[in-house]
Amino acid sequence: NAGVTQTPKFRVLKTGQSMTLLCAQDMNHEYMYWYRQDPGMGLRLIHYSVGEGTTAKGEVPDGYNVSRLKKQNFLLGLESAAPSQTSVYFCASSSSTTGQYGYTFGSGTRLTVV
Amino acid sequence: AQSVTQLGSHVSVSEGALVLLRCNYSSSVPPYLFWYVQYPNQGLQLLLKYTTGATLVKGINGFEAEFKKSETSFHLTKPSAHMSDAAEYFCAVSKGGRRALTFGSGTRLQVQP
Repeated sequence: NAGVTQTPKFRVLKTGQSMTLLCAQDMNHEYMYWYRQDPGMGLRLIHYSVGEGTTAKGEVPDGYNVSRLKKQNFLLGLESAAPSQTSVYFCASSSSTTGQYGYTFGSGTRLTVV
Repeated sequence: AQSVTQLGSHVSVSEGALVLLRCNYSSSVPPYLFWYVQYPNQGLQLLLKYTTGATLVKGINGFEAEFKKSETSFHLTKPSAHMSDAAEYFCAVSKGGRRALTFGSGTRLQVQP
């Protein structure tokens, strides 16, 4: 089925470790986003991309890096994980500049940093 | 700047009762407005959206929402709750030119038998 695929689904990291979350979409969407979801805070934008080779900071970018080397993939990296980065991470993609058609979300990655 | 406020982090209704989830936004220009639903351990699914045109928008699963510019509101309603409606609901806003949605903090809907 067409959509957004996130890997891995679950991960436990020790403080200071690094990891990369992968997001892949097969809808030829131009725009991709990384959000984190924390209880009572909704979804907060980490980074986003408006096309292959481009990235931009969102609301809470500190401690994260991203890359969009291929149009279908959007990677989120944590260089040195901290307990404050324990969260559920969602990737989304969209075909419009203003999101007027809505986003397609992946099923999320649950990350725990101990 | 734009923001979204969802009144009530938890709402509980009886099966068959009216569902009303409140969303207010602040935006200096007419926004695009969305409601998403998240079932346990899943991603978000688009429930309905308002972009232009008719202010009463119908979505999936019998939900609808009305854009009221004068009240800066986009409340979500369903005439009769079903057990399967139990989930978390997020209101979101997008302003022209900004390339990302801003989400509210979410409302968890419980449906009692």
